[in-house]
Amino acid sequence: EVQLVQSGAEVKKPGKSLKISCKGSGYTFTNYWIGWVRQMPGKGLEWMGIIYPGDSNTRYSPSFQGQVTFSADKSIDTAYLQWSSLKAPDTAMYYCARLVSNSFGFDVWGQGTMVTVSS
Amino acid sequence: DIQMTQSPSSLSASVGDRVTITCQASQDIINYLNWYQQKPGKAPKLLIYDASHLETGVPSRFRGSRSGTDFTFTINSLEPEDIATYYCQHYDNLLFTFGPGTKVDIK
Repeated sequence: EVQLVQSGAEVKKPGKSLKISCKGSGYTFTNYWIGWVRQMPGKGLEWMGIIYPGDSNTRYSPSFQGQVTFSADKSIDTAYLQWSSLKAPDTAMYYCARLVSNSFGFDVWGQGTMVTVSS
Repeated sequence: DIQMTQSPSSLSASVGDRVTITCQASQDIINYLNWYQQKPGKAPKLLIYDASHLETGVPSRFRGSRSGTDFTFTINSLEPEDIATYYCQHYDNLLFTFGPGTKVDIK
């Protein structure tokens, strides 16, 4: 079964760093881009960017450029999303998703990681 | 940048009704337009890709079509389990854009 499994919920104080993960299985992880999508409480989906685990090539949405960092460890089929200094507005659900290159749609999604930033 | 508008923002319909949602591009785009369903508390699910192709395993009551810069998503006969928010998503020039979503519930 093709799946993406994300790390668990996090509660952090403002200014702290955080790295969440997304582990793929059931397919060749290095052959597909992985996208990250933010969903703030009660709001819609926002595309953050994509990473190609095969060579760690990245593309960031202009809205998130410089705010977050994507990385990947292809030896363990895992992609990461990290913050160096969290802010309260980073409170959201974060999804990873596999990109299908012929339609540029996201066909497999992780279950989401809820990040809460609060003092 | 290409802007995507989605309408309506919400709708109520009865079981068995036909439901239609529209996503409009600000300029002519190729068919990189996909539709997702998100049920409360769940991750989004891809239903339609390339404007009109049904993802494997998705019921045939879901349909996508295109007319010029207008993309239409249709549920031919609404079922109770279709209660969800539906999003269009577009790709162009290394940028991905989700529409604002349409919340569908039962009247």
